[in-house]
Amino acid sequence: SQQGEEDPQALSIQEGENATMNCSYKTSINNLQWYRQNSGRGLVHLILIRSNEREKHSGRLRVTLDTSKKSSSLLITASRAADTASYFCATDAIQGAQKLVFGQGTRLTINP
Amino acid sequence: EAEVAQSPRYKITEKSQAVAFWCDPISGHATLYWYRQILGQGPELLVQFQDESVVDDSQLPKDRFSAERLKGVDSTLKIQPAELGDSAMYLCASSLSGITGELFFGEGSRLTVL
Repeated sequence: SQQGEEDPQALSIQEGENATMNCSYKTSINNLQWYRQNSGRGLVHLILIRSNEREKHSGRLRVTLDTSKKSSSLLITASRAADTASYFCATDAIQGAQKLVFGQGTRLTINP
Repeated sequence: EAEVAQSPRYKITEKSQAVAFWCDPISGHATLYWYRQILGQGPELLVQFQDESVVDDSQLPKDRFSAERLKGVDSTLKIQPAELGDSAMYLCASSLSGITGELFFGEGSRLTVL
């Protein structure tokens, strides 16, 4: 069962442009995390945002969280070819089993 | 830099055979996870350990899958017998304690069942 759903499923942009990916979820959460996965590799943690936070920055990454809309966005500024990867949001629901549930991901392609 | 170790990296087997995957988490990480990721989809949690105890195995197909973490350190995930639909990437991850912080993933074990 997938708690988070990313949008779009795939995104292709030119190098230097900004990339925005969205994540919507269904139930109230403790925190939301974003991960990156290069093709055929494991996932790498990017950023964690807690339910009482609205925005967080890490280098070229900016994450927002709107708990009233149950949604989050990941912005990558000044994209590089090396940013080509799949990006997943993962949520930790307040109710129910204490586990991290991943969405289906957004496949980002940066064209040089 | 500490890493989560997984082996084998790739495994090709025929259906009805037995398969085993091994994971060594980052030293000191109490929580260990096995996720299954079908191509083009997000990871799905199979089993979660806190030390040597199973915290969640609700999505583990227990008729054919088993997982253990006997000494609360490394872990083995077994499939017997393997079926065609088991072809996927099996990802192991660990965290210091629970899901309140980040998960550290290994490189995964890619299983192909013929």
